Amino acid sequence: SAVISQKPSRDICQRGTSLTIQCQVDSQVTMMFWYRQQPGQSLTLIATANQGSEATYESGFVIDKFPISRPNLTFSTLTVSNMSPEDSSIYLCSVEGGWTGGYTFGSGTRLTVV
Amino acid sequence: QKEVEQDPGPLSVPEGAIVSLNCTYSNSAFQYFMWYRQYSRKGPELLMYTYSSGNKEDGRFTAQVDKSSKYISLFIRDSQPSDSATYLCAMSETGGFKTIFGAGTRLFVKA
Repeated sequence: SAVISQKPSRDICQRGTSLTIQCQVDSQVTMMFWYRQQPGQSLTLIATANQGSEATYESGFVIDKFPISRPNLTFSTLTVSNMSPEDSSIYLCSVEGGWTGGYTFGSGTRLTVV
Repeated sequence: QKEVEQDPGPLSVPEGAIVSLNCTYSNSAFQYFMWYRQYSRKGPELLMYTYSSGNKEDGRFTAQVDKSSKYISLFIRDSQPSDSATYLCAMSETGGFKTIFGAGTRLFVKA
């Protein structure tokens, strides 16, 4: 299965600022997924990023708040914009797991907004 | 009501115990069922992937699906301290797209 490098692993940010999270995959993939994992809550899909097209956002998530780039088949970024303490969470990128099924995840970015 | 319900725990067991982790769900269209293990400060990793009802075994791990009861289980035999992690159940209608995750059960295995 693919290996995903995600950075930064953690950050503490001031409210009103933006943070860009990077995700690098060691193989070419069609779709990349961005998830949010809040304490005590289930993984929630933010958006699906296809190379060469606009990302598809899930209900409750908008492009102005979570702009996504997908410049090629191995890389994607998620920006958390105009942050508030409610954005404090773990953000994860993932790709489909191939023949094993399911998803392969990056190690996550632990974001704290103060 | 959430689509997938999972007891958050924590569940604490002694080393060598048999662990039973469970999830219930409400969507009868789910056909693909997964269990992920997530260590602290790491992303989830796929542990078991099953289709429809029945059992699947992989080493010390057994996944069980009962679609009639909308209930899935993960059994861990001879549990080890290295099994201490959060276990997430997940399920989907189509095998990947629109996967719904449980909130996870924290497991502690004491040496």
